Amino acid sequence: AQKITQTQPGMFVQEKEAVTLDCTYDTSDQSYGLFWYKQPSSGEMIFLIYQGSYDEQNATEGRYSLNFQKARKSANLVISASQLGDSAMYFCAMREVSGGYQKVTFGTGTKLQVIP
Amino acid sequence: ETGVTQTPRHLVMGMTNKKSLKCEQHLGHNAMYWYKQSAKKPLELMFVYNFKEQTENNSVPSRFSPECPNSSHLFLHLHTLQPEDSALYLCASSLSLPSGRASPTDTQYFGPGTRLTVL
Repeated sequence: AQKITQTQPGMFVQEKEAVTLDCTYDTSDQSYGLFWYKQPSSGEMIFLIYQGSYDEQNATEGRYSLNFQKARKSANLVISASQLGDSAMYFCAMREVSGGYQKVTFGTGTKLQVIP
Repeated sequence: ETGVTQTPRHLVMGMTNKKSLKCEQHLGHNAMYWYKQSAKKPLELMFVYNFKEQTENNSVPSRFSPECPNSSHLFLHLHTLQPEDSALYLCASSLSLPSGRASPTDTQYFGPGTRLTVL
């Protein structure tokens, strides 16, 4: 069974600084996908970044990068140059395929607060 | 409209009421999902529809009844709910692939959610 662990319930970061949100996972699948989502107080889950298990390069999307360490089974999200609008819940998730559809397991989330 | 939409955004209902949540996706996806998000709990997958066929029912009580008339629309019919069913209900969609290999197209895109309160 899949498992996603986010050990940081809450984080603070100064505006314009970088922050790393931790995520570890456990799976027996050889092919899997890792995702990060942002959930502002409005409730919508916003997709940020994807990393495939076979991807050799770490994924990057603008100010977001995923520090993927396969041997350690970690997929940490790095946000560079934090902005006030980055204050939100952040969820790490992992995908498995069963019967041709994706089943995604989510972590418990990290609440990030950006301080002016 | 683009992306995934959900209506209503907020719903308050009594335990004896019957109501329905609606989800619509405009992304050309063919897999749709219902999730429940309660306070201080991880996102819980409730139902999955793949090509309009229900492929997952994650031990959800029968007072929740899903319906997927086509690949673009998904409903969640609610009846005789309990106060503990109060939560944010999120709909998502993705492109279903026959291959088992992970791909960026696996990404699920979510709607804004319906915040449900059961009195």
